[in-house]
Parts: sequence; C-alpha cells; structure tokens
Amino acid sequence: GAVVSQHPSWVICKSGTSVKIECRSLDFQATTMFWYRQFPKQSLMLMATSNEGSKATYEQGVEKDKFLINHASLTLSTLTVTSAHPEDSSFYICSASGRPTVTDTQYFGPGTRLTVL
Amino acid sequence: ILNVEQSPQSLHVQEGDSTNFTCSFPSSNFYALHWYRWETAKSPEALFVMTLNGDEKKKGRISATLNTKEGYSYLYIKGSQPEDSATYLCASMKTSYDKVIFGPGTSLSVIP
Repeated sequence: GAVVSQHPSWVICKSGTSVKIECRSLDFQATTMFWYRQFPKQSLMLMATSNEGSKATYEQGVEKDKFLINHASLTLSTLTVTSAHPEDSSFYICSASGRPTVTDTQYFGPGTRLTVL
Repeated sequence: ILNVEQSPQSLHVQEGDSTNFTCSFPSSNFYALHWYRWETAKSPEALFVMTLNGDEKKKGRISATLNTKEGYSYLYIKGSQPEDSATYLCASMKTSYDKVIFGPGTSLSVIP
C-alpha cells in the first residue's frame, strides 16, 4: 500500500519551454504533498508543501512563479517548471502523506530527471 | 548541529558482513527521526519512524536505535545481502507540522 507514481521519469527540453511533472497517490488520499529537488551528491531539498485545495507553501529561495504547484485533488499534484533554463536541470521528486497511512511518514514517487538544453 | 548529517558517505561490504552507519541531527526541539531506503531507479521506501529516546526498531535484518539527547541514530544491517545495496536516508522533524530535513544519505554496496 501507499504507492506514489510520478511522471515522466525523465524529460529533456529546450531552454525557454515549460515542463509539467505529475505526482499521483494510487491507493491513499494524499492530504499533503511535497516537492523536493536534489542536486548531485546533495540532500533532498524541500521546495514546497501543498495541501489539497490550498495554495502551496514555498521554501525560502524557491520562486513560486518559476515552479508552479497545483494540488487540485486528493490524488494528484503537479509541478510545472516554467521557462526552464539549464540551471533548472535537476532531479525532482514528490512525496505524499495522508490517510490511511503511517502517521508522519512520507511516501515517495520515483522521481523525474529534468535536463534543460 | 543545524543540519542532518550522515556518515559514512559510502561503504562497500562483502555479502554476509554486518554493517552500521550513523545519522546525526539537531537534538533540540526533536519530534521524529525517519529512515528510508532508496534503491536506484526506485522510490525511497520508508523503513522506520522513531520518536522516543532509546527507541529501537527492527525490520528483518535491519534495525535502528535512537538517542534524542545527543542527537544520533544508528542503522544496523545484519548479514548484508546484495539486495541491501541502496542509499539509506535519514530525516529529522522538529514538530509534527514542521518540514522534514534530510541527510545526504549513506550509499551501501554489498559485494557478492
């Protein structure tokens, strides 16, 4: 149980285009979803937290107009990287918590590798 | 310490060896400590959530201990198997509504 899917698993795009990444909870209600970014050999860095039906809360230093997060339902959140540039190339991974799941545990998707040319 | 730290960064062990690694976290305002196993090309998998000082959890050959007063947790793997090869992440929470701070992980390779 508590499976999270994430699509696409990898994407290559041209500079200036926008990329949408989907995160879905398959067998539970994801009341809260988290988006992380990971640079090589570094920790997972939280970008934003979103509760279903509410605006996302962004971490300091994360541009909300650059990284658009939508959490419109209890099973789906999307991250859109707008006008992507090479410096946005990274590994993006989502996680979700909700019900019925183990309290305080986040369930992760497999991640998306974004390469911006 | 302000961040969550893990050591060693990586290690290689022979199949059958037992191993352990460390997670250090801020001991003030502690709420919970998580351990995750992250195999290549898969999703991180939750192993343990630990909240009480002195707590010890076990899942098969993997166990973890927690010392909240000094701010560390150990993860032990008994009789390592190739399928244990993964990156092991720990993450600390200050409160139930605070964000989770991840360590950089320990990469374990078990050599057959």
